[in-house]
Amino acid sequence: ETGVTQTPRHLVMGMTNKKSLKCEQHLGHNAMYWYKQSAKKPLELMFVYNFKEQTENNSVPSRFSPECPNSSHLFLHLHTLQPEDSALYLCASSQAGSSNNEQFFGPGTRLTVL
Amino acid sequence: GENVEQHPSTLSVQEGDSAVIKCTYSDSASNYFPWYKQELGKRPQLIIDIRSNVGEKKDQRIAVTLNKTAKHFSLHITETQPEDSAVYFCAASSATDKLIFGTGTRLQVFP
Repeated sequence: ETGVTQTPRHLVMGMTNKKSLKCEQHLGHNAMYWYKQSAKKPLELMFVYNFKEQTENNSVPSRFSPECPNSSHLFLHLHTLQPEDSALYLCASSQAGSSNNEQFFGPGTRLTVL
Repeated sequence: GENVEQHPSTLSVQEGDSAVIKCTYSDSASNYFPWYKQELGKRPQLIIDIRSNVGEKKDQRIAVTLNKTAKHFSLHITETQPEDSAVYFCAASSATDKLIFGTGTRLQVFP
């Protein structure tokens, strides 16, 4: 599959569960991002990874833990979430440092926390 | 931190009319301004972008204008069609490649 893929597409979890979201980009990019999209605050930047190094943590609670093992894969580990964490989580990638700053988004994971 | 404000939050137009969405940014170092379109249930996709060394850019029915002095930029859609109905997001970025998004505008084009 081409572009940016995310799994799972839908996830329902209890507040005591531990789950992980996965993102994979097939575009040869060197930067990856996690965004939270909810009705109240559309497209909030959560984390930025450039060349596998985290360069941005936008005051995200520690119950969200990102992992970037290589430039093609990005994970978001979830534990002890709250109902207000229910949202669409979007992954994106780009070629940082190039003349083209376009970010390509994945289809998102719709997360519901019960 | 950097902030991007976007107006209006909702916009309804008749098919064939024009639509204008406006954004302002706070960081004077911002030099890249993309616009994304997100259709219902789909991912955001880039439709047009502009850099700080250009005042206006046009691509068929869509155009973007930038006023660096006032720190605002606008999206113009002419001859709107029902398939233009979506949520539109503006964004601003400085050299860090980080995009700060506006709050979105839900555009509805009525036939």
